[in-house]
Amino acid sequence: EIVMTQSPATLSVSPGERATLSCRASQSVSSYLAWYQHKPGQAPRLLISGASTRATGIPARFSGSGSGTEFTLTISSLQSEDFAVYYCQQFHSWPLTFGGGTKVEIE
Amino acid sequence: QLQLQESGPGLVKPSETLSLTCTVSGASSSSNYYWVWIRQPPGKGLEWIGSISYSGSTYYNPPLKSRVTVSADTSKNQFSLKLTSVTAADTAVYYCARRPFYYGLDVWGQGTTVTVSS
Repeated sequence: EIVMTQSPATLSVSPGERATLSCRASQSVSSYLAWYQHKPGQAPRLLISGASTRATGIPARFSGSGSGTEFTLTISSLQSEDFAVYYCQQFHSWPLTFGGGTKVEIE
Repeated sequence: QLQLQESGPGLVKPSETLSLTCTVSGASSSSNYYWVWIRQPPGKGLEWIGSISYSGSTYYNPPLKSRVTVSADTSKNQFSLKLTSVTAADTAVYYCARRPFYYGLDVWGQGTTVTVSS
C-alpha cells in the first residue's frame, strides 16, 4: 500500500495570502495524484488531477505541481471560500489511498 | 449533467449488514469509468472502500476486503455497497463517486450518514 502523508496538518493563512500544501507518497506514484477540497456538510470537490491539471471549473488560483513522491498544491491568493480541508490521493495503484488532510483555516 | 445519489438505511445494528445504493443519472454510455465508494468516519479523513469497473471488475481496500461487496446493476444505472458484520467503527458518512480511468474522483454524491448502533 502506498502511504500518503500531508503537511502541515493545519495551515493558518490570512485572506489574500498564498497557501502551500505538501503531499508525500511512500513510493513513486508518477503523476497519478489528485487534490480535493472538502467543506463540512458537502461532498469533496476535485481540484487537480494528474498532479497539475485543474479540473473543470476550478479557478486558476489553484495550482498543482510535482511528480514521483513529492507534490504541492498552491492557492495563490486565498479567498474566503477556500477555507476547507484539502486531501491528496494517489491513483497509481490499488488500493487507492488518501493523505490525512490539511486544514486551511483563517489566521 | 451527471448526478450521483446515495440511498439506504441511516441506522444499522452491530453485526448486521450495511447496504447502500448509488443511483447515477445523466450518465453517458462510456465504459471508461470506475464507480467508487468512499467513507469518512466522524473526525477522520477519507477512506477508499472499493471500486467496480464497467466490465464488473472489483477492487477492495484490504482491511475491509473480507466484509465488502460492490456490485452494479447497469440496467438500473445503480451500483451498490454491502458491508457485513458492522461495528461502531463503521459509522461514517458514505459517498459514492465516479473515477474516469487515469483520473481523480470527478463526480461525487452528496453523502449519506450511516450510524451503527443498537
